[in-house]
Amino acid sequence: AQTVTQSQPEMSVQEAETVTLSCTYDTSENNYYLFWYKQPPSRQMILVIRQEAYKQQNATENRFSVNFQKAAKSFSLKISDSQLGDTAMYFCAFTKIQGAQKLVFGQGTRLTINP
Amino acid sequence: DTEVTQTPKHLVMGMTNKKSLKCEQHMGHRAMYWYKQKAKKPPELMFVYSYEKLSINESVPSRFSPECPNSSLLNLHLHALQPEDSALYLCASSHVFFRDSFFTDTQYFGPGTRLTVL
Repeated sequence: AQTVTQSQPEMSVQEAETVTLSCTYDTSENNYYLFWYKQPPSRQMILVIRQEAYKQQNATENRFSVNFQKAAKSFSLKISDSQLGDTAMYFCAFTKIQGAQKLVFGQGTRLTINP
Repeated sequence: DTEVTQTPKHLVMGMTNKKSLKCEQHMGHRAMYWYKQKAKKPPELMFVYSYEKLSINESVPSRFSPECPNSSLLNLHLHALQPEDSALYLCASSHVFFRDSFFTDTQYFGPGTRLTVL
């Protein structure tokens, strides 16, 4: 079975700072996807970024980037130039590519961006 | 366009009521999902439909009855719910590669229905 662990229940930074959210996972699979989803107070679960395990290059989306360490089973999210709108719950998630339709989520990190 | 819509946004029902939640997507996705999310917790998978057929039921009580009438629409019928069923119900959809081998892609979520059972 796969597990995802987010060790930081809450984080708080000042606007424009850089913040890194941690995620580790455990799996025996070789091919899988990792995701970061954001859930603001409005409740909608929004995809932030996706990483394919077979790609060595770290994924980036504008101010969001990941540090994917496959051997260490680590998948952290870096948010640069943080904005007030980044305030949300962030979930790290894992899914096998084949045959598995289930997203395995971490417990989430509540991120607050202060003005 | 990565939009999944859900109606209603809020629903309050008694334990003897029958109600339905609706989810719709027009992205051509052939996998659709229902999740239940309690406050300050991650979503928990309830059901998965692939090509309009139920492929996963995560041992959900029978008072929850899913239905997938076509490739764009997913319903969740509710009957005789309990107060502990109060939660945010999220729908998601994803593309499916290679139907028989079931390679799945990124799941996109709707805004959810906030359900309160009195």
